[in-house]
Amino acid sequence: SQTIHQWPATLVQPVGSPLSLECTVEGTSNPNLYWYRQAAGRGLQLLFYSVGIGQISSEVPQNLSASRPQDRQFILSSKKLLLSDSGFYLCAWSVAGANVLTFGAGSRLTVL
Amino acid sequence: EDQVTQSPEALRLQEGESSSLNCSYTVSGLRGLFWYRQDPGKGPEFLFTLYSAGEEKEKERLKATLTKKESFLHITAPKPEDSATYLCAVQAALSGGYNKLIFGAGTRLAVHP
Repeated sequence: SQTIHQWPATLVQPVGSPLSLECTVEGTSNPNLYWYRQAAGRGLQLLFYSVGIGQISSEVPQNLSASRPQDRQFILSSKKLLLSDSGFYLCAWSVAGANVLTFGAGSRLTVL
Repeated sequence: EDQVTQSPEALRLQEGESSSLNCSYTVSGLRGLFWYRQDPGKGPEFLFTLYSAGEEKEKERLKATLTKKESFLHITAPKPEDSATYLCAVQAALSGGYNKLIFGAGTRLAVHP
């Protein structure tokens, strides 16, 4: 069966520090991968998606970036965090061409 | 602009008190409407997909229905374990080989014994 892992689960970082959130999927090949952010009281916002290794598309301009160094690995990064980057970050995957997303457990980021 | 609006924002029910959650949407080229359940501090868990007006799906005490402009999630005789945030999302017209889901802000449901 397929599983998705995200880490770290919680992170407290100072403004201006770097960020790296990692997501891996097991039990499938060539998945579509997604990073969403969930702010309190707001809907999930799609940040990045990837349909293959090295292929990254951005939905929202910001100081975050994403990379997909391996087929089942998706990384969300920042060189310098802003207060506004605080939130709950969710990684998700889907079978290529299918429409049901499976989400990871999420990473809670607090920027102070 | 594609948009999803969920109401109410929060709902408090007594155990056994049936009710409905609403999801209104405007989207060009609806490819599917999704319901997810999210427990506090966790990722959303898939419940249903609806594709066309008139379609209905059921799972235990939950029943989802779809019209051309909205979807309802009916909860029959809820139990405290049904307490969660319920998210609605629509899939916009497929583009570039990926699925862009547009989410509503969710309805926080609390069921009290």
